[in-house]
Amino acid sequence: QVTLRESGPALVRPTQTLTLTCTFSGFSLSTGGMCVSWIRQPPGKAPEWLALINWDDDKYYNRYLRTRLTISKDTSKNQVVLIMTNMDPVDTATYYCARAHYGEYWFDPWGQGTLVTVSS
Amino acid sequence: EIVLTQSPATLSLSPGERATLSCRASQSLAGYLAWYQQKPGQAPRLLIYDASSRATGIPGRFSGSGFGTDFTLTISSLEIEDFAVYYCQQRSDWPITFGQGTRVEIK
Repeated sequence: QVTLRESGPALVRPTQTLTLTCTFSGFSLSTGGMCVSWIRQPPGKAPEWLALINWDDDKYYNRYLRTRLTISKDTSKNQVVLIMTNMDPVDTATYYCARAHYGEYWFDPWGQGTLVTVSS
Repeated sequence: EIVLTQSPATLSLSPGERATLSCRASQSLAGYLAWYQQKPGQAPRLLIYDASSRATGIPGRFSGSGFGTDFTLTISSLEIEDFAVYYCQQRSDWPITFGQGTRVEIK
């Protein structure tokens, strides 16, 4: 059974850096074709894709947020980390990680999500 | 970026009725479109990928169709558990984008 779980701070201050960790089980990011992505969803709005990393350590970013995002993986710990700099109140959202397959990029399954509020 | 426009924003139907949801893309996606269902407090769940393939465990009352710029998700006979928000998502080009959603509510 594939599961993913996001963890990180619930509250960050404006201008601070957010670090989120996705811990997964049921698959390995050392297996060819495996990918993990980060997606966020502001309250009451649609999901927004942020970044993706694959088994070969290739990284893809939403170009509108590229300068603020860094995605990385620790295969030995079954973890993917997302760093987002210069947080702003508009970044308040539920942040999800999800599995995908190389070349297909459908997200299944998703983690339960973690709500991050940006406020002073 | 590719913009996905979903219609209608809200669909008010009764259990047992047929639901037809639309997703229109700003440029051709070939068949690279997926549909997700999201219930309150839950993460989205993949229903349909590659426009018409059902994901594992998805009931047969859900079907997808379309190619190019116009896509449809059909729920043949609504069950109580189908009342939710539905999103489309494209993978034809980076960045991956989602539509703004259609809410299916009980009439």
